[in-house]
Amino acid sequence: AQSVTQLGSHVSVSEGALVLLRCNYSSSVPPYLFWYVQYPNQGLQLLLKYTTGATLVKGINGFEAEFKKSETSFHLTKPSAHMSDAAEYFCAVSDGSGNTGKLIFGQGTTLQVKP
Amino acid sequence: GAVVSQHPSRVICKSGTSVKIECRSLDFQATTMFWYRQFPKKSLMLMATSNEGSKATYEQGVEKDKFLINHASLTLSTLTVTSAHPEDSSFYICSAPGIDGETQYFGPGTRLLVL
Repeated sequence: AQSVTQLGSHVSVSEGALVLLRCNYSSSVPPYLFWYVQYPNQGLQLLLKYTTGATLVKGINGFEAEFKKSETSFHLTKPSAHMSDAAEYFCAVSDGSGNTGKLIFGQGTTLQVKP
Repeated sequence: GAVVSQHPSRVICKSGTSVKIECRSLDFQATTMFWYRQFPKKSLMLMATSNEGSKATYEQGVEKDKFLINHASLTLSTLTVTSAHPEDSSFYICSAPGIDGETQYFGPGTRLLVL
């Protein structure tokens, strides 16, 4: 069975500081990995994804993540936080059935950006 | 881009009544859609896979008679919460895979409150 663990349910950074949101996964098959962002009372928006190929993937809004197989990690980073980055962030992995619609989500990390 | 809509965005109903939530893919076709449930401050839990032209596939622990799913066309899936109870109050989100088959596009969600 696949699973996702996001370390830290709440992360607080100052505006302009580095953002690091941690995600570790377990999977018995090569995973597809995703980061989604959710603003209050809204659905999820895809930030970036890893399927195959280059392990460092760049997404929207200046975010990027690196797939590290040896560490089973897919941490999300952004060099400089903006106030508008405050939101809930979810890491997800496809369930390995070949049907990437069946996503297993982490618990979510709330990002707070202080002025 | 791929856009998924949901209707209504918010609904309040009395206990014992049924509520229908629609999920539409606006600019693409989706033979498969997915329904998730999100509790406050919690992650998303997959409820079921909606299949156009055939029965939905429910995740373990989800009552199929309680949550009726109908995939009426290639752009519409509906979730009906039957005989709703206060514990059914939640945020329901649908998703559909994009053309690449790898990326899920999420609807904006429907907030259900059962009184």
